[in-house]
Amino acid sequence: SQTIHQWPATLVQPVGSPLSLECTVEGTSNPNLYWYRQAAGRGLQLLFYSVGIGQISSEVPQNLSASRPQDRQFILSSKKLLLSDSGFYLCAWSVSSGLNEQFFGPGTRLTVL
Amino acid sequence: AQSVSQHNHHVILSEAASLELGCNYSYGGTVNLFWYVQYPGQHLQLLLKYFSGDPLVKGIKGFEAEFIKSKFSFNLRKPSVQWSDTAEYFCAVNEGGNDMRFGAGTRLTVKP
Repeated sequence: SQTIHQWPATLVQPVGSPLSLECTVEGTSNPNLYWYRQAAGRGLQLLFYSVGIGQISSEVPQNLSASRPQDRQFILSSKKLLLSDSGFYLCAWSVSSGLNEQFFGPGTRLTVL
Repeated sequence: AQSVSQHNHHVILSEAASLELGCNYSYGGTVNLFWYVQYPGQHLQLLLKYFSGDPLVKGIKGFEAEFIKSKFSFNLRKPSVQWSDTAEYFCAVNEGGNDMRFGAGTRLTVKP
């Protein structure tokens, strides 16, 4: 069966520090991968998605970037965190676009101080 | 760009009450529709989905949703809620591409 992992589970970082959140998927090949940010009362905002290694699409211009160095690995990064980057970050995967549901990881709670 | 509206931010019900959570979307073409649920401390998981066919969709745990194309709606229903249904519920819409749009979520609290 397929599983999705995210780490760390929680992270507290100072403003201006770098960020690296990792997401890995097991039990499937060539998944579509997604990064979302969940803010209270605002639902899930799609940040990035990837349909293959090295292919990243950005939905929202911001202080963050994403990379997919391996088929089942998706990384969310920042060179310098802002206070506004605080939030709950969710990684998700799907077998293919559109007609299939997305499966979500446990999320990372990021607090920028 | 399409948008998804969930009208209720927080719903409080007693056990055995009936539930209906509203979801409306703005896109006028063919859409795929989803309801996700996030129980306290757990992953976001799929409740039910609609792609085509019967507009009344049955999901897990006694939930159902009805797609009404003319109203651009996909409301979630359950005839009798339980305390264990306390969670946050998200409606999502997809046009068939990679872009899944989520509503802001509705927090449901069921009092025992």
